[in-house]
Amino acid sequence: GESVGLHLPTLSVQEGDNSIINCAYSNSASDYFIWYKQESGKGPQFIIDIRSNMDKRQGQRVTVLLNKTVKHLSLQIAATQPGDSAVYFCAETDYGGSQGNLIFGKGTKLSVKP
Amino acid sequence: GAVVSQHPSRVICKSGTSVKIECRSLDFQATTMFWYRQFPKQSLMLMATSNEGSKATYEQGVEKDKFLINHASLTLSTLTVTSAHPEDSSFYICSARDFTLKNIQYFGAGTRLSVL
Repeated sequence: GESVGLHLPTLSVQEGDNSIINCAYSNSASDYFIWYKQESGKGPQFIIDIRSNMDKRQGQRVTVLLNKTVKHLSLQIAATQPGDSAVYFCAETDYGGSQGNLIFGKGTKLSVKP
Repeated sequence: GAVVSQHPSRVICKSGTSVKIECRSLDFQATTMFWYRQFPKQSLMLMATSNEGSKATYEQGVEKDKFLINHASLTLSTLTVTSAHPEDSSFYICSARDFTLKNIQYFGAGTRLSVL
C-alpha cells in the first residue's frame, strides 16, 4: 500500500532561471548514472547519462555533474521552461555487473513558475 | 530514442479478476525487460527482471504467483496481476533494455490499475 506522509523534495524556480537538482547515490561500485524525467501519469523519460570516468557531460540545455569522492550527482537545467516541470530521478548501476539493474533515487519535483 | 509501448494505459477491474499488461519494444530487441510499481509521490520500485526465454527474477517481497511475467519474445513482455485486490491498485511501468544501446532502460508510459 501507499506510504503515509512521504513527500518528494520540491524545487521551485522561476521560468528562465537555471535549475540544479541534486542526488546522492549509495553504491561506490556504481559506474554509470542516468537522469530521468517523469511527467505526471507518464513513464520516465531518459534525459542524459554519464559514466564514472567522466566528471561532466553536457546535453541540450542540460548538464550532469558527477563527484565520485562524495558520491554526488547533479542535473543542471539552463533557462528552465514550464515544460520542464516534472519529477526528476537519478539512477545508478554497475554497468559492468552481471545484472546492471538500475537503482532509482527518491526523486525531486521541479515546479516552474511562469 | 528507443520506443517502448505499454498497454493498456488505464484499467479498472473488479476484485478477484486478472489483468494483463503488455509491454513492447517497437524499434529494438529487448534482451531484458523490467517491471516496476510506483505509488504516488514515490520512486520506482523494481518488481522483477525478465530475460527473453527465461523465467523472471523477482525482487524480494514480490509474489511470483501473484504477478505473472512472460517474456516470450525479444519485443514483448506481459505482466498479469492475478486475482487482483484493491491493494494491488497502483501505477505499473515496464522498461526494456538492449545492450547495444548501452545500459539505458527505456520506459513505457505506464498502466494505472484501479481495483474496485
